[in-house]
Amino acid sequence: QITLKESGPTLVKPTQTLTLTCNFSGFSLSTSGVGVGWIRQPPGKALEWLALIYWDDDKRYSPSLKSRLTITKDASKNQVVLTVTDMDPVDTGTYYCAHVEMATVWSFDIWGQGTMVTVSS
Amino acid sequence: DIQMTQSPSSLSASVGDRVTITCRANQGIREDLSWYQQKPGKAPKRLIYAASSLQSGVPSRFSGSGSGTRFTLTISSLQPEDFATYYCLQHNSYLWTFGPGTKVEIK
Repeated sequence: QITLKESGPTLVKPTQTLTLTCNFSGFSLSTSGVGVGWIRQPPGKALEWLALIYWDDDKRYSPSLKSRLTITKDASKNQVVLTVTDMDPVDTGTYYCAHVEMATVWSFDIWGQGTMVTVSS
Repeated sequence: DIQMTQSPSSLSASVGDRVTITCRANQGIREDLSWYQQKPGKAPKRLIYAASSLQSGVPSRFSGSGSGTRFTLTISSLQPEDFATYYCLQHNSYLWTFGPGTKVEIK
């Protein structure tokens, strides 16, 4: 059974860097054909894809946020980390990590519960 | 960049109604499209992937169709637990884009 869980600060100040961790179980990021992505959702608004990392360490970023995002993995710890620099109040929202696999054409099948991040001074 | 639109943005329907939601891409994405259901305070749940493949465990009243630039999600007979917001997601060309969502409310 695949599970994912996000963790990180609930409150960050403007201009600070946000670091979120996704801890997962039930699969290995060393296995060919899998990946983990990050998605966020401002309160009352739509979902927005941020970044994704594949088993082979290939990385993809949202073009609109690419300059502020870094995604890394530690397959031995079953963790994926997302950093977002220069945080702004508009970055407030729930941040989700999710599993993808080639078998289902790289769409997000299993999601974490999400973690709420508020950006405020 | 691939942009996604959904219509309608919201709808009111009764239990038992047939509901159709449309998602359009501004360029062809083959069948690289999924549908999600999200209820307040919860993570999205995948219903359909590869445009028409039903996720395991999802009721058969949900179905998806389409390819290229136009896709539809159909709920054949709306149930009380189906009132939620629905999102499409394109995953073509190693980039992912969600649609703006369709809120399905009780009439």
